[in-house]
This record gives sequence, structure tokens and C-alpha cells, in this order.
Amino acid sequence: DQQVKQNSPSLSVQEGRISILNCDYTNSMFDYFLWYKKYPAEGPTFLISISSIKDKNEDGRFTVFLNKSAKHLSLHIVPSQPGDSAVYFCAASADTGTASKLTFGTGTRLQVTL
Amino acid sequence: ETGVTQSPTHLIKTRGQQVTLRCSSQSGHNTVSWYQQALGQGPQFIFQYYREEENGRGNFPPRFSGLQFPNYSSELNVNALELDDSALYLCASSSITSAGELFFGEGSRLTVL
Repeated sequence: DQQVKQNSPSLSVQEGRISILNCDYTNSMFDYFLWYKKYPAEGPTFLISISSIKDKNEDGRFTVFLNKSAKHLSLHIVPSQPGDSAVYFCAASADTGTASKLTFGTGTRLQVTL
Repeated sequence: ETGVTQSPTHLIKTRGQQVTLRCSSQSGHNTVSWYQQALGQGPQFIFQYYREEENGRGNFPPRFSGLQFPNYSSELNVNALELDDSALYLCASSSITSAGELFFGEGSRLTVL
């Protein structure tokens, strides 16, 4: 039972354009959502997060949008840069008292081309 | 400020054997969690340790066990290895109040033959 789904395994975007990565979830108990970025041979690194009480959070070139009614969130990267090429994981947590228990999607590999 | 370090980076075991993976948490972090990442999948939560006690567990059998030491370093032990245990094992450290913002190590890649 995949509670967090990233239906696009890969995405290719030209440098300077917008990258949009999508994520859907099924568990209505999730109240906090995060995006992680992973380069080869490295562990995932935290990128940006959003609480369920918000519908948008922005940090520099990265913006996360949350649509609770649709159980959908997206990560926008503007402008995309070659260094953004990585695998992006969507993750979610519920307020269960286990702060580090995240449910991850299967990832989307982003390639930013010159 | 040192990051999260894991050892070994790669290892090969045979079915039925036991394995111990080690993790040193980032300084200042009091919580450690372990994740299993199978090929083509996202990381899957195994368990969390806080103040040297397990205080959260995912859908993994008891042959997956762990320890957290007073210096916040940690071990993951897996007994009676199965072929499906082949995966990347990620350790993550955090503060108990960090709301999911985890600092991951590079992982230990385990192959079970």
C-alpha cells in the first residue's frame, strides 16, 4: 500500500525553465510534508517542507504547494539549474509522536539539461 | 560540525548470517532513525531511537534490532539475513523536535547472497 506516490519516475527540463515535481498521498492523517534531494552515493538531504495548515511555502528558487482536498503537493524549481539534477523524494509524516517516522515516495529523477 | 557517518559503506553477506551496521550522529542531535531503501524504492522507516530506547517502529520483523549509545551513536542489527534484506540502509539523526527534518548519512549497501 503506497501511501505516498510519485507517479513520474523521471523528468527532463532545460536550464532556466521551471521544474514541477508532483506527489500524491492517500493517508489523511499526514500533516507535514517534506521534499528531499538525493545525489548519487550520498544520503538524502532536506530541501523544503510545508505544514498542512499552509498551502504554500517558498525558499529561494524552491516553492512547495499543498492541495489538501486533492491530497496533492508539488515542488516548483525556478529557474532550474544543472546542479539541481538529482532524485527528489516526497515524504510525509503524521503526528504520532515519532518525529522521524517519514513515509517516502519512490522518487522522481530530475535531469536539467543545458 | 561533523555530519552523519555510517560504516561499512558496502558489505556482502550470505543468507542466514547476521550483520551489524554502525552510525555516528551529527553533534547536538539526540534522535537516530534507520531506513531501508530497496532498489527503485523510497526509504522505508525501520525504527527510531531516543534516549537509548526504541520509541517508534515501522513494519519490520523483530530480527531487525538496534541500539543507541550515550554518545548518540547507533547500531542496526539484522539476524537471519534473507535475500530481500539486500538494500541501502540509511541512518538519520535529528533533534526530537525537528519535525521530520532529518540528516542522513551516505548509507551502508548490504548485499545478501
